[in-house]
Amino acid sequence: DTGVSQNPRHKITKRGQNVTFRCDPISEHNRLYWYRQTLGQGPEFLTYFQNEAQLEKSRLLSDRFSAERPKGSFSTLEIQRTEQGDSAMYLCASTFVSGSYEQYFGPGTRLTVT
Amino acid sequence: SQQGEEDPQALSIQEGENATMNCSYKTSINNLQWYRQNSGRGLVHLILIRSNEREKHSGRLRVTLDTSKKSSSLLITASRAADTASYFCATRSGGGADGLTFGKGTHLIIQP
Repeated sequence: DTGVSQNPRHKITKRGQNVTFRCDPISEHNRLYWYRQTLGQGPEFLTYFQNEAQLEKSRLLSDRFSAERPKGSFSTLEIQRTEQGDSAMYLCASTFVSGSYEQYFGPGTRLTVT
Repeated sequence: SQQGEEDPQALSIQEGENATMNCSYKTSINNLQWYRQNSGRGLVHLILIRSNEREKHSGRLRVTLDTSKKSSSLLITASRAADTASYFCATRSGGGADGLTFGKGTHLIIQP
């Protein structure tokens, strides 16, 4: 499968614990995005990278959230000191900047904070 | 925050009928995209329309864009049971702001 992959697909954690998610984009794509989606809502943009540079962060990305893309390939999203309000689907998407800008989404990681 | 609003929030039609969904947005855009999401899964890109385009077709999909009214519509013709999903419009503002801004979606149910 050459699409965007995300791991794990599901994560249950207790409040206060740290969690880390991984996203592997389509190999030739140089832009990678993170979104969060809660039940009944559309995805909300968190941050994006072009190669290894983090170019934009939304105000939703509190200081408990950090994202990296160290070699310009896979990316990780870490949430420290999780809160119940962090429960959501975390979606990763990638694209190749050539003028099209359509984004290819992974299946998401569903986080449940108990 | 959500930029756009899809209308209706939910739509149920018979297989073979046409389905129309509308999207309104608030700020100027570079392009508008429509995505489909099956229950609990990732999003699939359907079609992109640029701000200087008024209408675009792709298979059974037809998208219109009216930038003066800040609105778009998605028409799915000859609907099939497999079209049952949530449909989202998403806007890209451009100018360095590259993250997509999604609406809340329209949940479409096709009755066999």
